[in-house]
Amino acid sequence: EAEVAQSPRYKITEKSQAVAFWCDPISGHATLYWYRQILGQGPELLVQFQDESVVDDSQLPKDRFSAERLKGVDSTLKIQPAELGDSAMYLCASSLLGQEAFFGQGTRLTVV
Amino acid sequence: DAKTTQPNSMESNEEEPVHLPCNHSTISGTDYIHWYRQLPSQGPEYVIHGLTSNVNNRMASLAIAEDRKSSTLILHRATLRDAAVYYCILRDDNTDKLIFGTGTRLQVFP
Repeated sequence: EAEVAQSPRYKITEKSQAVAFWCDPISGHATLYWYRQILGQGPELLVQFQDESVVDDSQLPKDRFSAERLKGVDSTLKIQPAELGDSAMYLCASSLLGQEAFFGQGTRLTVV
Repeated sequence: DAKTTQPNSMESNEEEPVHLPCNHSTISGTDYIHWYRQLPSQGPEYVIHGLTSNVNNRMASLAIAEDRKSSTLILHRATLRDAAVYYCILRDDNTDKLIFGTGTRLQVFP
């Protein structure tokens, strides 16, 4: 069964360092989402892509976060510099237009 | 973005039916009602979705009020593996945006 792949599963980084997460969506899925989930809260949408274009990044802290989806396939989310408050689970999901979204296992980030 | 309101938590006994309510009074005509659930330490997984009519699948049933301002996710026989946080989401058919709220934490007791 096709899955959304994310790596790494776990990441520990020092504050002020740069960190990157990678997501490989299900083949053929045009829509890709990045979410941040703080423990005990629901996932917060950071950015949504349609193919290679950003369709919503209104909640992305653009002073330190960036996301790209070159060629409209896999995607990278970067944080530079990382802050203590960025410690969270980062989830990637993909879907066909109008269909259910499939989520990866996530990357758990700890900033120390 | 249209919002949903769910109870923070609910409890059920194993093998009993569970009805998880959701209010969405500001729903628009292009919003689909989606339900996802999240088991501990996992990413969310899709459960069911609908527009106007009630829907059934192998996991659950979705009952949608006639005015579409509320809906209910029905688990016909709860199992211990159904213990999770259940999210009711309005997904705009124009934008495909998927905005999560705080969800309902379901506890299932043996």
